[in-house]
Amino acid sequence: EDQVTQSPEALRLQEGESSSLNCSYTVSGLRGLFWYRQDPGKGPEFLFTLYSAGEEKEKERLKATLTKKESFLHITAPKPEDSATYLCAVRLNTGFQKLVFGTGTRLLVSP
Amino acid sequence: GAVVSQHPSWVICKSGTSVKIECRSLDFQATTMFWYRQFPKQSLMLMATSNEGSKATYEQGVEKDKFLINHASLTLSTLTVTSAHPEDSSFYICSALPLGEGDGYTFGSGTRLTVV
Repeated sequence: EDQVTQSPEALRLQEGESSSLNCSYTVSGLRGLFWYRQDPGKGPEFLFTLYSAGEEKEKERLKATLTKKESFLHITAPKPEDSATYLCAVRLNTGFQKLVFGTGTRLLVSP
Repeated sequence: GAVVSQHPSWVICKSGTSVKIECRSLDFQATTMFWYRQFPKQSLMLMATSNEGSKATYEQGVEKDKFLINHASLTLSTLTVTSAHPEDSSFYICSALPLGEGDGYTFGSGTRLTVV
């Protein structure tokens, strides 16, 4: 069965305290791993897509990396405005290109 | 960039009534749209995939007669929750896959449904 697991479930950081979020996946066929940010009561906002092991992408204080079994979202010197739920999702190698989402990590950055 | 507009953003309805949620792609055509459901502090669960001009594909365990999906044009998909009950209260989100793009799933802002 295709599974996506994120850890930790929740993370509290002080402003400036760097950390990493983990996304582990077990899928039959991967056609991309996606990272999204979701604020309360809003739809997910696209951050990154990764396709192959070893690939890295960066955007401001965020950096996403991918291995054959997991992905990391590194947050460098976070600010309170980075507080949100971060979701990872994998696109399966099936006809409709649907996404399977992980459980999410709720990040709170305190000033 | 690609924008998906979802309406209404919130709705309250009485038990037994039906509610329609619209999902529109504003600046692109979408042959495929996805409908998700999200409970508090939980992740997005795919309910169904809708394809323009054909029947929707529902995920296992989702009642197709209760959650009616129509994708009549390349820019509009609708989800109708029929005979709503309090357990249908949830956050519903649509997503579209822009035609011709390899990735870049765009999500609507979501609809908070409360059934009283």
